[in-house]
Amino acid sequence: GAGVSQSPSNKVTEKGKDVELRCDPISGHTALYWYRQSLGQGLEFLIYFQGNSAPDKSGLPSDRFSAERTGGSVSTLTIQRTQQEDSAVYLCASSLFDTGLTRLNYGYTFGSGTRLTVV
Amino acid sequence: KQEVTQIPAALSVPEGENLVLNCSFTDSAIYNLQWFRQDPGKGLTSLLLIQSSQREQTSGRLNASLDKSSGRSTLYIAASQPGDSATYLCAVKGDGPLRSGGYNKLIFGAGTRLAVHP
Repeated sequence: GAGVSQSPSNKVTEKGKDVELRCDPISGHTALYWYRQSLGQGLEFLIYFQGNSAPDKSGLPSDRFSAERTGGSVSTLTIQRTQQEDSAVYLCASSLFDTGLTRLNYGYTFGSGTRLTVV
Repeated sequence: KQEVTQIPAALSVPEGENLVLNCSFTDSAIYNLQWFRQDPGKGLTSLLLIQSSQREQTSGRLNASLDKSSGRSTLYIAASQPGDSATYLCAVKGDGPLRSGGYNKLIFGAGTRLAVHP
């Protein structure tokens, strides 16, 4: 697609329920990232995909958080048993190519995010 | 571990002023540096990307400079307008997994919240 698409744009869920957030990156972008932005805070890295594998998932805050990517395209971030502290804007970004082993320099394109509110 | 600091945290200026937003980073081993704009309740819009080998990039009224050795970047906004009001974020991409403490992720500063009033 023309840009990074995220859905839903807004999600209100009850504490304890599971939620799935979707990211559709720019066509052909092999690198995909999830970030989280809590109210009034900076961006917090969650996980990075290169193709379908995740070389860096160090930012996932707990085992309630998981993510997958299929076909080198769409990614889903799943939060199980949501807590109120999970309330934030979840942002997805994609980049053309990214291995860390070469000096390729491609910028990131972000989606508009999913605003998650846990009540 | 890479840390990115942005100064000032907030800035309020009258329309027409020229502005300088500052970004500093602790590890000079970077691939690139990117400036973003974030409007309230919205995602991030990329403004400028400076490669590690470059000194500056320009787009319209925006000019970003990079001094990698000293770990600094500035975003210069000429003739500011009320429509420039937003939060401006600086982010650096580390040079490999061993030195950056992570694997190619962008490390963000906390941002500068800019308000340009008529």
